[in-house]
Amino acid sequence: NAGVTQTPKFQVLKTGQSMTLQCAQDMNHEYMSWYRQDPGMGLRLIHYSVGAGITDQGEVPNGYNVSRSTTEDFPLRLLSAAPSQTSVYFCASSTIAAGYGYTFGSGTRLTVV
Amino acid sequence: GESVGLHLPTLSVQEGDNSIINCAYSNSASDYFIWYKQESGKGPQFIIDIRSNMDKRQGQRVTVLLNKTVKHLSLQIAATQPGDSAVYFCAGRNAGNMLTFGGGTRLMVKP
Repeated sequence: NAGVTQTPKFQVLKTGQSMTLQCAQDMNHEYMSWYRQDPGMGLRLIHYSVGAGITDQGEVPNGYNVSRSTTEDFPLRLLSAAPSQTSVYFCASSTIAAGYGYTFGSGTRLTVV
Repeated sequence: GESVGLHLPTLSVQEGDNSIINCAYSNSASDYFIWYKQESGKGPQFIIDIRSNMDKRQGQRVTVLLNKTVKHLSLQIAATQPGDSAVYFCAGRNAGNMLTFGGGTRLMVKP
């Protein structure tokens, strides 16, 4: 049981490049989400999904796209990277049922130069 | 606006003492709160949670207190150990199962 797996762990991009951050969970969780964590700030929600085929925007969605074609996978796409997107990105999953805490991945540290 | 924030950015305690980390929230509609521990280079790890219809919940060496009147919750760690050194986040759950996180408190345990 691997939990939530994020790849890559580290990535450096040039401004304007695109890339996809991968997130996979093997716990059959309905709910998956992406957060970014910046120095001195808490985690901010980018996008989330309550099930396959359903996605919605969080607090800071601009510059990011997501899709949820399967229960297991929830990739985050940066279409045209900007220095402001330099951050640590965390994927999390949970059941929809009330009272269940989230399980987080170990994070992807992204630097845009 | 909706926010969950922390009173102190850094807390330094002596090993063996009790630690208290505080958190204020603004959305009275939050029905569920979670405390997370984040060690350097790792993702947040679930510690303890509490529903809004409770005012106290205890775990192993940890206790969470919720005061809905003043929209405040706290995390108490008994007999703090060096392994407790980390950043602690509170989070409140709102509509759509969305979590709003506070800015984090760094707990430093002195030997």
